[in-house]
Amino acid sequence: EPEVTQTPSHQVTQMGQEVILRCVPISNHLYFYWYRQILGQKVEFLVSFYNNEISEKSEIFDDQFSVERPDGSNFTLKIRSTKLEDSAMYFCASSEIGGIYEQYFGPGTRLTVT
Amino acid sequence: SQQGEEDPQALSIQEGENATMNCSYKTSINNLQWYRQNSGRGLVHLILIRSNEREKHSGRLRVTLDTSKKSSSLLITASRAADTASYFCATALGNTDKLIFGTGTRLQVFP
Repeated sequence: EPEVTQTPSHQVTQMGQEVILRCVPISNHLYFYWYRQILGQKVEFLVSFYNNEISEKSEIFDDQFSVERPDGSNFTLKIRSTKLEDSAMYFCASSEIGGIYEQYFGPGTRLTVT
Repeated sequence: SQQGEEDPQALSIQEGENATMNCSYKTSINNLQWYRQNSGRGLVHLILIRSNEREKHSGRLRVTLDTSKKSSSLLITASRAADTASYFCATALGNTDKLIFGTGTRLQVFP
């Protein structure tokens, strides 16, 4: 069964460093998302991406964040200058046709900022 | 209440018993999705129910939706120890693609 994959599974970085989290969505899906979950808290929406552009973003997704689909398979989230409060589990998700269909999540990347 | 609140927050049952989790939300939705999360792991999609549906089944899972009460329930029948996890509801509003997650119910099934 097709699934969303994410790499790395765990990333440790120092405050102020740039990180890139990678995702490979399900191949026939058109909508891509990033969510995050701070330890012990709710899963929060960050950004949605369709047709090579951001379709929606949350207040969390400020200028430090960016997303890209560099090729036909990968979908990346970049944090330019990490802060301690960026420590969280980051989930990539994909959907066949936007919000009216199921969103399938990857296993997540645990980001630890020290 | 917030968009997407589950109750109870925690539930402990014996294997073989049924587990019922409830989700309430505030605004009109396009659909509601239930997910399972094992400790520190990814979110596994369980079932989607659309706003014009009242009940759906998938194996041992039964989901109901009452749009007049803005609530949904997830029933797991004949629970197993492997069902131990956190369960989240997530709502999709009509004018957006994003999912809004609830606070989750931690289910513990004892063998």
